[in-house]
Amino acid sequence: DGGITQSPKYLFRKEGQNVTLSCEQNLNHDAMYWYRQDPGQGLRLIYYSQIVNDFQKGDIAEGYSVSREKKESFPLTVTSAQKNPTAFYLCASSMRTGNTEAFFGQGTRLTVV
Amino acid sequence: DQQVKQNSPSLSVQEGRISILNCDYTNSMFDYFLWYKKYPAEGPTFLISISSIKDKNEDGRFTVFLNKSAKHLSLHIVPSQPGDSAVYFCAAIIGTSGSRLTFGEGTQLTVNP
Repeated sequence: DGGITQSPKYLFRKEGQNVTLSCEQNLNHDAMYWYRQDPGQGLRLIYYSQIVNDFQKGDIAEGYSVSREKKESFPLTVTSAQKNPTAFYLCASSMRTGNTEAFFGQGTRLTVV
Repeated sequence: DQQVKQNSPSLSVQEGRISILNCDYTNSMFDYFLWYKKYPAEGPTFLISISSIKDKNEDGRFTVFLNKSAKHLSLHIVPSQPGDSAVYFCAAIIGTSGSRLTFGEGTQLTVNP
């Protein structure tokens, strides 16, 4: 069963702590993406990666970090520098950047208290 | 700089009637447009797309229209069903390597029985 998996579905953290969100895909896609969804603001791109060991900042990268050590995995770390970390985070993948269709995971709801 | 805009945050229609969701864009370099559907606490799923060389694409109850001169696209759902109630995101992309999807803010569609 090919797909993209995010875990956990719900995550709670105390303010000031770093937290890492997992994203794994077995679609053999080169490109992977992290989006953040906030009410009334749609999906905003945090980081994306075109290929292993490569990644670029999206529109709202401040306070986040990523790594792409394996093709299948693109974890996102929400650092204590992110001022408003509470949000719904979505991971996506596509065959390559510039490809017309992206497949999304189920999302992770992060709540920082 | 919001390159893709969905000006209606919400739309309510009666079951069996037509739903029309609108989207405007500013970047004339976009050459592919997509609609995604999203249920609460889930990832978006691809619905329908259109290339800039076409002005209409149809898939069952869903039709997307593109007006390049107006930089406007719309999604028509006929007939609307209660299961269509979801947030609909418009997205656009320049189909070259290195490019990535740019999303609108989303429109919450509610289809009333």
